[in-house]
Amino acid sequence: EAQVTQNPRYLITVTGKKLTVTCSQNMNHEYMSWYRQDPGLGLRQIYYSMNVEVTDKGDVPEGYKVSRKEKRNFPLILESPSPNQTSLYFCASKSEGRGYEQYFGPGTRLTVT
Amino acid sequence: QKEVEQNSGPLSVPEGAIASLNCTYSDRGSQSFFWYRQYSGKSPELIMFIYSNGDKEDGRFTAQLNKASQYVSLLIRDSQPSDSATYLCAVRPTGGGNKLTFGTGTQLKVEL
Repeated sequence: EAQVTQNPRYLITVTGKKLTVTCSQNMNHEYMSWYRQDPGLGLRQIYYSMNVEVTDKGDVPEGYKVSRKEKRNFPLILESPSPNQTSLYFCASKSEGRGYEQYFGPGTRLTVT
Repeated sequence: QKEVEQNSGPLSVPEGAIASLNCTYSDRGSQSFFWYRQYSGKSPELIMFIYSNGDKEDGRFTAQLNKASQYVSLLIRDSQPSDSATYLCAVRPTGGGNKLTFGTGTQLKVEL
């Protein structure tokens, strides 16, 4: 089954404790992206990757890191989480070319206390 | 001005009616437009995309695009309770590559 998976789905952590949210896709997609979704602000892009070893900042990259060492994986790293990073996070992937659009993972609900 | 604007709703329609969801965008050069449906607590799901002015129909859904007015809409015919969700409008900005800019969504409630 074609899918984007994320782990963990739910996470409660404390300020400053490093964490990683994993994202994996089995569709051989070149493009992968991370979003956060907050009430009243909608979906905002954090980072994206055009292919292996190619990453770039989105609209709200502060406080986040990413890496793309393999085509299927695109982890999101929070080196020192803060309460304002409490949010619902989505990973998405897309194949290149017009007519192919972004497919989203199930989401990770993160709470930083 | 927000790049992609939607009325947050909720928009309430009776079962069987036509639901009309609207979206305006600020980047006049935008070329691609998308509608995603998001059930509460779930991930967004692509339901329609449109690239050219006019209408595009897929089952009960019709997307309408008017680039001159910078306006895109989604019509849902014969609305069902299962259509109750938040509908996100997304726009690919000029030179944006694969980037999508999302509106904040319109909540639709289909009432029995």
